[in-house]
Amino acid sequence: GQNIDQPTEMTATEGAIVQINCTYQTSGFNGLFWYQQHAGEAPTFLSYNVLDGLEEKGRFSSFLSRSKGYSYLLLKELQMKDSASYLCAVSPNQAGTALIFGKGTTLSVSS
Amino acid sequence: NAGVTQTPKFRILKIGQSMTLQCAQDMNHNYMYWYRQDPGMGLKLIYYSVGAGITDKGEVPNGYNVSRSTTEDFPLRLELAAPSQTSVYFCASRAVGGANYGYTFGSGTRLTVV
Repeated sequence: GQNIDQPTEMTATEGAIVQINCTYQTSGFNGLFWYQQHAGEAPTFLSYNVLDGLEEKGRFSSFLSRSKGYSYLLLKELQMKDSASYLCAVSPNQAGTALIFGKGTTLSVSS
Repeated sequence: NAGVTQTPKFRILKIGQSMTLQCAQDMNHNYMYWYRQDPGMGLKLIYYSVGAGITDKGEVPNGYNVSRSTTEDFPLRLELAAPSQTSVYFCASRAVGGANYGYTFGSGTRLTVV
């Protein structure tokens, strides 16, 4: 079966660091994506990992361990505008096959 | 570039009515997808297409139909609308070999069936 797990909700304060975890069990693996989705809007692309290790992009970093079926999204120097849902998604095989999405983690950032 | 355009943005349907959700992309992407998103349930794949004339079912296809007569357009048809189809619908596209950029999403259609 295909399964992607991530926490339902997280809270943090402005300026802090937060790590959102994602574990996956899929029939194959051709990359893991993180998307950000603000309330009432479409998801927007944040990051892509296909090899083990850390990918850094400004305040956001994403890590992948294929052997453990595990990824995390690290958000630094949190801002109020980072309050959103964060979706973990896996491409189970070759490009074109649809992404499988987790249920999303709703992050609330307070001042 | 407009990207992925979805219409309408909002719609209220009565039980048993039919409608078509429109999706068009101008990026010459081969791959297109329809998802529905319910609160707390994530994005569920309804149908997808890997090119004009080719469509395939996703995880939750019942009650829906699609067609892909051109590369640009991928409409989703709801026949005999039911309250269970109340949801937010997203269309997305992806280029061949564009694996590392994921999807481009449309802005969504918020559908209520009463």
